Amino acid sequence: NAGVTQTPKFQVLKTGQSMTLQCAQDMNHNSMYWYRQDPGMGLRLIYYSASEGTTDKGEVPNGYNVSRLNKREFSLRLESAAPSQTSVYFCASSEGTGLSFAFFGQGTRLTVV
Amino acid sequence: DQQVKQNSPSLSVQEGRISILNCDYTNSMFDYFLWYKKYPAEGPTFLISISSIKDKNEDGRFTVFLNKSAKHLSLHIVPSQPGDSAVYFCAASDPYAGNMLTFGGGTRLMVKP
Repeated sequence: NAGVTQTPKFQVLKTGQSMTLQCAQDMNHNSMYWYRQDPGMGLRLIYYSASEGTTDKGEVPNGYNVSRLNKREFSLRLESAAPSQTSVYFCASSEGTGLSFAFFGQGTRLTVV
Repeated sequence: DQQVKQNSPSLSVQEGRISILNCDYTNSMFDYFLWYKKYPAEGPTFLISISSIKDKNEDGRFTVFLNKSAKHLSLHIVPSQPGDSAVYFCAASDPYAGNMLTFGGGTRLMVKP
């Protein structure tokens, strides 16, 4: 059972570089999310997609873009990476938009130098 | 300003004793609360939840208590086991914000043998 799969697991970027974090789920979930985790800050929502074809901003969307490619895949793009985007990024999916619990991927540790 | 707060960054408990993790919230619109457990280098996994219409929910060694008037919830683990050592996040869902989850900063629990 793969659940939620994120790639890559680790990445180092130089300031100004761009990259896309990939996420795929095999549970036929409608909703998908991108969070970032920073020490003492918990998990903060970057963007979410309540269903295929829709995306909405979360708490900290600046500097990011997302694409809900199909029901399975939800990607997160950093167009011009900044050191403030050094973080651990988690993708998650759920059947609904909150009342059902979410399944998380293993995370991507991103360092921007 | 954080709407969900876990004021204890860490907690150390002896094996076999009770672990009590606390969480406070400020948004009275939250109607569903969840606890997630996170091991190093893994994504968070769902542990237990409670609806705002209840004041207690129990699942094996884990019990969550909700005090709506105090805007406070707690997770009790009895008896604590070394395998419970992890970071615990509480989260709350706001139905007026698309049921998005807001997470606390986490509490690192260490259960000593």
